[in-house]
Amino acid sequence: GEDVEQSLFLSVREGDSSVINCTYTDSSSTYLYWYKQEPGAGLQLLTYIFSNMDMKQDQRLTVLLNKKDKHLSLRIADTQTGDSAIYFCAEVYSGNTPLVFGKGTRLSVIA
Amino acid sequence: ETGVTQSPTHLIKTRGQQVTLRCSSQSGHNTVSWYQQALGQGPQFIFQYYREEENGRGNFPPRFSGLQFPNYSSELNVNALELDDSALYLCASSSRISGGRPLTDTQYFGPGTRLTVL
Repeated sequence: GEDVEQSLFLSVREGDSSVINCTYTDSSSTYLYWYKQEPGAGLQLLTYIFSNMDMKQDQRLTVLLNKKDKHLSLRIADTQTGDSAIYFCAEVYSGNTPLVFGKGTRLSVIA
Repeated sequence: ETGVTQSPTHLIKTRGQQVTLRCSSQSGHNTVSWYQQALGQGPQFIFQYYREEENGRGNFPPRFSGLQFPNYSSELNVNALELDDSALYLCASSSRISGGRPLTDTQYFGPGTRLTVL
């Protein structure tokens, strides 16, 4: 069945790098997304990666995809207090549009 | 470019009542998906609307229903509210090429409607 797993909490110091990990079960996923949710708000699209890519970099964000292990990670360089939020990994299956989300990783940035 | 908007922001209802939530899609988008996010959980897919018809549904009972209008805006209706319906309801819009096969296109989310059922 469909399942996306994430660790629930991550705490880092301001200026350090953060790495948020995600595993998924369906190898037919075509797109993998990272969304950010601040308290009381909706989901903000951060970045996404196609399943035929290994890496994507977008300013401070680096996404790594290991298809063999079905493992996705999001690295945030120079983490700032404004990065404190919940980060959701989501997958989309080929030929189907609903996003399947993990439970989210709460990132706390310590000044 | 106008983003996805939702109304109302917050809503309080009692068990057994009915509620209607509204969503305006992002400019240029023709597909609307609705998600329910319970506290501490990731969003769960309710259903999607394309060309004013339901196009895919998650594991939600029939008392969850929806509409899409010619301008691509959408409503989510929930009848006979239960306490467990308390959640953040998120709307997401995306594009689909007319006549094309199902397209995994990027979904952009609105700010959500917080529904509390007492």
